[in-house]
Amino acid sequence: EVQLVESGGGLVQPGGSLRLSCAASGFTSSSYSMNWVRQAPGKGLEWVSYISSSGSIIDYADSVEGRFTISRDNAKNSLYLQMNSLRAEDTAVYYCARLRGFSYGYADYWGQGTLVTVSS
Amino acid sequence: DIQMTQSPSSLSASVGDRVTITCRASQGISSYLAWYQQKPGKVPKLLIYAASTLQSGVPSRFSGSGSGTDFTLTISSLQPEDVATYYCQKYNSAPPLTFGGGTKVEIK
Repeated sequence: EVQLVESGGGLVQPGGSLRLSCAASGFTSSSYSMNWVRQAPGKGLEWVSYISSSGSIIDYADSVEGRFTISRDNAKNSLYLQMNSLRAEDTAVYYCARLRGFSYGYADYWGQGTLVTVSS
Repeated sequence: DIQMTQSPSSLSASVGDRVTITCRASQGISSYLAWYQQKPGKVPKLLIYAASTLQSGVPSRFSGSGSGTDFTLTISSLQPEDVATYYCQKYNSAPPLTFGGGTKVEIK
């Protein structure tokens, strides 16, 4: 059974940092691209970042470019999101999702999400 | 950047009604479009990919169509368990892998 479990969320002050993790199981994670998607309270889905299966291709939304860093450790079946210089508008539930299909791919499995709250 | 515009933003329909949601891309994206369903308080779920391919396990009352810039998600006979917000997403190129703004479906 495919499972994605996020961790690392919490309350952080503006300007602070957090590192999110996503533990994958039930599939060979090194064969799949992955991404992070977030959802602010009461708002829609917002794509955050993408990483290819090997880690050679990485993309970010403009809203997080230069502040967030996506990475993966295929040996540990893990995906990460390092978030620096956090702002109030980064407050959201952060989901990791597995991608499949052609081009960048669609998200066929999602984690349960981890809540990040940026507030003083 | 390619913008994804969904309409309507919300709708209310009766059980058994046919429901149609539209997603329009500001530039052509071929068939690189997915539809997701998010029930209240739940994780998004993949319904359709490649514009018209039903994900395994999704009820056949859901269908998708379109290519290029105009896409449609149809629920042929609305059921109470279909109350949710529906999102389209393009995945042909990044950044960004843009989502539509969502369509909230309620029962009348």
